[in-house]
Amino acid sequence: QKEVEQNSGPLSVPEGAIASLNCTYSDRGSQSFFWYRQYSGKSPELIMFIYSNGDKEDGRFTAQLNKASQYVSLLIRDSQPSDSATYLCAVTRTGNQFYFGTGTSLTVIP
Amino acid sequence: GAVVSQHPSWVICKSGTSVKIECRSLDFQATTMFWYRQFPKQSLMLMATSNEGSKATYEQGVEKDKFLINHASLTLSTLTVTSAHPEDSSFYICSATGQGRSPLHFGNGTRLTVT
Repeated sequence: QKEVEQNSGPLSVPEGAIASLNCTYSDRGSQSFFWYRQYSGKSPELIMFIYSNGDKEDGRFTAQLNKASQYVSLLIRDSQPSDSATYLCAVTRTGNQFYFGTGTSLTVIP
Repeated sequence: GAVVSQHPSWVICKSGTSVKIECRSLDFQATTMFWYRQFPKQSLMLMATSNEGSKATYEQGVEKDKFLINHASLTLSTLTVTSAHPEDSSFYICSATGQGRSPLHFGNGTRLTVT
């Protein structure tokens, strides 16, 4: 079983819609959760992190964490073509070991 | 936010030569740095983990004598690709994190082409 699993997609949404990206993790002891965005040919950039159950909002982005069900999601409201990228979910336990999913490719259609 | 600087951003070298890539954390102390490589349309592949002042821990299948990693200070790590071959051509990305629950911050990556 992989540490972190994501649907590889591709996920396509029309411009202005809500894009929903999901991630599940296997270790119940996981403590910190991160979402990264990676444009083609570029390195990943941090979008959001969440540590506690519930929602965390930052502009058009909302991260949702449910530790009981072991999933973390990212919602992108009012999706824009510039949001088209691969989104990576990452999880850490104690210490500095980061576990990445394989990423979900998102395309926002104008 | 935290900044990780990686140089060079691209390099072309001849087969058999060595290439050094630098990774610096500019505004925080990086207790741990990670080196990844990524082939086109593929996922990040972790190569090694390094802690300041310690030897790097390499992932299975990564040759430590070929990919030399030095993490001499809390702000600098280097990756040297020794005796490079065309199959080493890839996108190399460093990342760094601080203490506690700090996120991982990535450098801009180095695109290596070995001719």
